[in-house]
Amino acid sequence: QQQVKQSPQSLIVQKGGIPIINCAYENTAFDYFPWYQQFPGKGPALLIAIRPDVSEKKEGRFTISFNKSAKQFSLHIMDSQPGDSATYFCAASMMNTDKLIFGTGTRLQVFP
Amino acid sequence: DTEVTQTPKHLVMGMTNKKSLKCEQHMGHRAMYWYKQKAKKPPELMFVYSYEKLSINESVPSRFSPECPNSSLLNLHLHALQPEDSALYLCASSQERGGSYEQYFGPGTRLTVT
Repeated sequence: QQQVKQSPQSLIVQKGGIPIINCAYENTAFDYFPWYQQFPGKGPALLIAIRPDVSEKKEGRFTISFNKSAKQFSLHIMDSQPGDSATYFCAASMMNTDKLIFGTGTRLQVFP
Repeated sequence: DTEVTQTPKHLVMGMTNKKSLKCEQHMGHRAMYWYKQKAKKPPELMFVYSYEKLSINESVPSRFSPECPNSSLLNLHLHALQPEDSALYLCASSQERGGSYEQYFGPGTRLTVT
């Protein structure tokens, strides 16, 4: 019940495409859902995060869609660029806790 | 500013060595974390310090010893490591925002145990 399932494992898109990465959870006590972007040899960078009281959040070209009833959330990258090629991790945590439960990661490659 | 710094960037050590990893943040964050990350895997939580006190130890072997000298610094002391301990070691700190803790990661220390 503590797991966060992430798919796909890898994703290849052309420049300008809209890659979509999906995550699902079981624990309804989760109330904070961040996405991290990680380049090879670097630490994960907080990209965008959402709480269950909203269904969508946009920051620049990155959008999180959240479906509370389905216990699913997804990351959309608009107008993807080769510089977006990285590994993306979704995560979840409960209020007032320090533990982040990470998904397994999605390796995104954007070709010119 | 959400910068967490880590030193060294790379470390090679033998199984009998003693070394330390260092982490620093000057954002006034109340919690600091150590994670271990193997290739193509998500970060795994090792330790959490909250207000300079150890609050979470994820059953980490005693060859890893954390220390939090003050609210800005976090160390990880390494002793008698095994080759399987080779990994990227990440430090993070967090700020509270509406009941959730936003975690910011440092660049990591790439550790190789020979």
